Amino acid sequence: DAGVIQSPRHEVTEMGQEVTLRCKPISGHDYLFWYRQTMMRGLELLIYFNNNVPIDDSGMPEDRFSAKMPNASFSTLKIQPSEPRDSAVYFCASRRGGTLNNYGYTFGSGTRLTVV
Amino acid sequence: GIQVEQSPPDLILQEGANSTLRCNFSDSVNNLQWFHQNPWGQLINLFYIPSGTKQNGRLSATTVATERYSLLYISSSQTTDSGVYFCAVEETSGSRLTFGEGTQLTVNP
Repeated sequence: DAGVIQSPRHEVTEMGQEVTLRCKPISGHDYLFWYRQTMMRGLELLIYFNNNVPIDDSGMPEDRFSAKMPNASFSTLKIQPSEPRDSAVYFCASRRGGTLNNYGYTFGSGTRLTVV
Repeated sequence: GIQVEQSPPDLILQEGANSTLRCNFSDSVNNLQWFHQNPWGQLINLFYIPSGTKQNGRLSATTVATERYSLLYISSSQTTDSGVYFCAVEETSGSRLTFGEGTQLTVNP
């Protein structure tokens, strides 16, 4: 398996622009997570899905952030409008559910977002 | 929510030295993982270890779930071991990983 695939690897955008981050989870994994990593706050969970349904979005910082999972193999995290304080590394992760989960969470390589 | 504390926050070693990293957590967990974040920012899964002991080459880990701690051992360290080591746990009450603040390891040649 190719692992969790994220795109783009790097994104530089101007304040006020819309940004869309993409994630393809590992086939057969029914949980998908979006994390953000900053120097100040470390690694924090933004939102997670189970079987394509959003379960907990309490970590989404504000209404400018939205996430979707239209099918089992694709998810997006959108920021509109973007602000400089959104600059961070955004990770996507996936895992199997229940007793099938013997390997834990697998993380993608991350998207480094810079908003100028 | 669950608290995850890692120690030490920083560690500097000479190549060839051994080290032990510690992770304490405040509640029962379903899952515990150790990750290595390399200089390129990638989070590499080292161990899935909710309990017991595992070994992978020069690295090994032990989790004592009843006492709520886990240890990561690195033997004969190499410069490529440098980076940040994270402990992350999944509470029994939820389906999310909560990360510690990490241990920054520097291995000098």
